Amino acid sequence: TQLLEQSPQFLSIQEGENLTVYCNSSSVFSSLQWYRQEPGEGPVLLVTVVTGGEVKKLKRLTFQFGDARKDSSLHITAAQPGDTGLYLCAGPNQFYFGTGTSLTVIP
Amino acid sequence: GAGVSQSPSNKVTEKGKDVELRCDPISGHTALYWYRQSLGQGLEFLIYFQGNSAPDKSGLPSDRFSAERTGGSVSTLTIQRTQQEDSAVYLCASSLGSGTGSQPQHFGDGTRLSIL
Repeated sequence: TQLLEQSPQFLSIQEGENLTVYCNSSSVFSSLQWYRQEPGEGPVLLVTVVTGGEVKKLKRLTFQFGDARKDSSLHITAAQPGDTGLYLCAGPNQFYFGTGTSLTVIP
Repeated sequence: GAGVSQSPSNKVTEKGKDVELRCDPISGHTALYWYRQSLGQGLEFLIYFQGNSAPDKSGLPSDRFSAERTGGSVSTLTIQRTQQEDSAVYLCASSLGSGTGSQPQHFGDGTRLSIL
């Protein structure tokens, strides 16, 4: 089992603030994916990172894959209420998802 | 429809009853997955199908849980003699390919199961 630990578990911030969530493992991954899940819905894929050190941007979201490919981070700039949801990372063996970060952005 | 469809969306049943949850994947997707999610938590892997076969059943929590997939399409997850700890949202996903690469999973909206 490739255990993926996410931190923080819960995060509540004001609209306009910046935040970073982390996904860490002791295992090396060939790729890693980030999903966002809104209440009452299934997770939706945001991005896949493949190369160690890779940085991908999706509007106000910046995803980074660690050089050693054991960890990843998601940074959100100027958070909006629409960013509220559960953020999940997943390894290439997609059976195993991270523990999740529940983000609430307060207007 | 274009996406993964799950039914029912909500199910309330008494402890000890059997329940069947249905998943209709995206047409052409050969891989199908079942997960369980407790409130606000991450996803717990249950079972994975490639076509009609299930090479990985390691996540099924007990022998009360079983799943099948017929015709390489619709899948049914059955829970026998339900217990209160079975209460959760059961999510189904499908993807192209073998499921062990970087193909994205497409999720349904889940079945919220409540055991009284």
